[in-house]
Amino acid sequence: ETGVTQTPRHLVMGMTNKKSLKCEQHLGHNAMYWYKQSAKKPLELMFVYNFKEQTENNSVPSRFSPECPNSSHLFLHLHTLQPEDSALYLCASSQEVTTNEKLFFGSGTQLSVL
Amino acid sequence: AQSVTQLDSQVPVFEEAPVELRCNYSSSVSVYLFWYVQYPNQGLQLLLKYLSGSTLVKGINGFEAEFNKSQTSFHLRKPSVHISDTAEYFCAVSPSTGTASKLTFGTGTRLQVTL
Repeated sequence: ETGVTQTPRHLVMGMTNKKSLKCEQHLGHNAMYWYKQSAKKPLELMFVYNFKEQTENNSVPSRFSPECPNSSHLFLHLHTLQPEDSALYLCASSQEVTTNEKLFFGSGTQLSVL
Repeated sequence: AQSVTQLDSQVPVFEEAPVELRCNYSSSVSVYLFWYVQYPNQGLQLLLKYLSGSTLVKGINGFEAEFNKSQTSFHLRKPSVHISDTAEYFCAVSPSTGTASKLTFGTGTRLQVTL
């Protein structure tokens, strides 16, 4: 148990659906992240939030919309996704956003887009 | 810009044998180096990290890694593996200044331990 909880664990959605991924951390961290993990590819950073404010958007398509209502919760709203968006989506948190910080990851949401 | 290369996508090894997982990086600035492990159906966990000081870094579960600046490598080693070490291992690098958004991961090495 890393202290970072993601729901749901699995999600299957059609290209016209709207769904949301949820992440919650109980570690008192100030920074939260969304990563995309595809087979045989490096983890791709999508978004970074620091003290609820978005500080990084790594050229992510607008069909992915993040929301961070407070430092403990992070959402990823999904709409009109493409099959190539199928992947494992990982949430992570850290105390600060400096590069020497240890990241704590959730178990991820395995997303399949049909 | 920086990059990480994990040449071995899969490493099969017998239980109690030693193992080395290779990681090479490139960067034009000084770096921090990390190894993360991902067990089946779980997120990534930090195994160890090199920030400065001794080039030999010891981590959890008996793993260690050595930073070699001249060869730009950060190979992970364990003298005797266990079945429970079966997992995906990711090497990562970041510049020593800046934010966590500069953390770059390799493609991972799957360690498969068998009896």
